[in-house]
Amino acid sequence: DAKTTQPTSMDCAEGRAANLPCNHSTISGNEYVYWYRQIHSQGPQYIIHGLKNNETNEMASLIITEDRKSSTLILPHATLRDTAVYYCIAPVLNDYKLSFGAGTTVTVRA
Amino acid sequence: DTGVSQNPRHKITKRGQNVTFRCDPISEHNRLYWYRQTLGQGPEFLTYFQNEAQLEKSRLLSDRFSAERPKGSFSTLEIQRTEQGDSAMYLCASSLGQGVDTGELFFGEGSRLTVL
Repeated sequence: DAKTTQPTSMDCAEGRAANLPCNHSTISGNEYVYWYRQIHSQGPQYIIHGLKNNETNEMASLIITEDRKSSTLILPHATLRDTAVYYCIAPVLNDYKLSFGAGTTVTVRA
Repeated sequence: DTGVSQNPRHKITKRGQNVTFRCDPISEHNRLYWYRQTLGQGPEFLTYFQNEAQLEKSRLLSDRFSAERPKGSFSTLEIQRTEQGDSAMYLCASSLGQGVDTGELFFGEGSRLTVL
């Protein structure tokens, strides 16, 4: 996997947008960026993934810079249930596993 | 939607005993993964199946660990002669692999192993 760098932790106020950064400067042109999250005592949950274009689904938005060296996951209206560890992963194409790092521990506060 | 099912959810065993975990993936998924997660760490890849074929094993998977996926359906992960260092959450995931992309992995709730 391309090496990804995420902040260790961040706090967010309930109801506000949470912007989670990820650096992946060694990503190659055809490698996707995936985001997963893991709520305490549960298995990881897929959030979103993208290649070049920005993506949005019912959970979040993914903004990828034009040079693809970094991305930002946006939770538009954070709730207490969004408190979790968020993982940014850039798997090598044709390598079908995901390699999780330490992720960012996001705490949403009331 | 039954999701990925793992059993047992919790297992406490004494050092030296053998344990087996079972994973039932989402029915049409052809790819199945096992991960291990210790406290405060992200999940670590152990092994991966495409249908019944075990295509990759991590160096973390010592010779005391064996995984099978007979008939490309459910999978088992067996740990022989357990050690205290094997205490962890064992996670199973499956995906509908349709191309070169990793695809979306669906994880189970995990099986927590405690070795005394």
